[in-house]
Amino acid sequence: AQTVTQSQPEMSVQEAETVTLSCTYDTSENNYYLFWYKQPPSRQMILVIRQEAYKQQNATENRFSVNFQKAAKSFSLKISDSQLGDTAMYFCAFMTNLFGNEKLTFGTGTRLTIIP
Amino acid sequence: DAGVTQSPTHLIKTRGQHVTLRCSPISGHKSVSWYQQVLGQGPQFIFQYYEKEERGRGNFPDRFSARQFPNYSSELNVNALLLGDSALYLCASSSTSYEQYFGPGTRLTVT
Repeated sequence: AQTVTQSQPEMSVQEAETVTLSCTYDTSENNYYLFWYKQPPSRQMILVIRQEAYKQQNATENRFSVNFQKAAKSFSLKISDSQLGDTAMYFCAFMTNLFGNEKLTFGTGTRLTIIP
Repeated sequence: DAGVTQSPTHLIKTRGQHVTLRCSPISGHKSVSWYQQVLGQGPQFIFQYYEKEERGRGNFPDRFSARQFPNYSSELNVNALLLGDSALYLCASSSTSYEQYFGPGTRLTVT
């Protein structure tokens, strides 16, 4: 069974600073996908960034980037120039898509607060 | 383009009752997945449907069932409600990119 671990329940950072959220996962599969989702107080789950395991290059989306270490099974999210709107719960998620089953396995989340 | 929509937004039920939650995917998306998110936890996978067929089922009791219609919308049904079923129920749709896009959720309270 796949598991996703987020070891930082809460984090806070000053506006405009850089913050890194940690995520580790456990799987015996070789092909899989990793995602970071953001859930603000409005509770809408928003896709932030995705990474395919077969790609060595780390994914980036504007101020968001990941550090994907496949051998270490680590997938951290870096938010640069943090903004007040980044305040939210952040969930790391894993998918194998075996036999067409697109099951997402989520971590327990990190509550990120951006301080003005 | 409209995103994933869910109805109702919030509902309150009594133990033992039945509930039906509805989801409309993004136009063109043929896959719909359902997740349960208990307060303070990450979402847990319940079901995935693709082209009206069940592709996956999570570790939930048989009281939970779902179906997908020809227009790709979906219903999640929960029978014999328990207090522990109180949660945010999320629906997500996807096309072929494996990226799942979530709706705003339905907050279910069981009293």
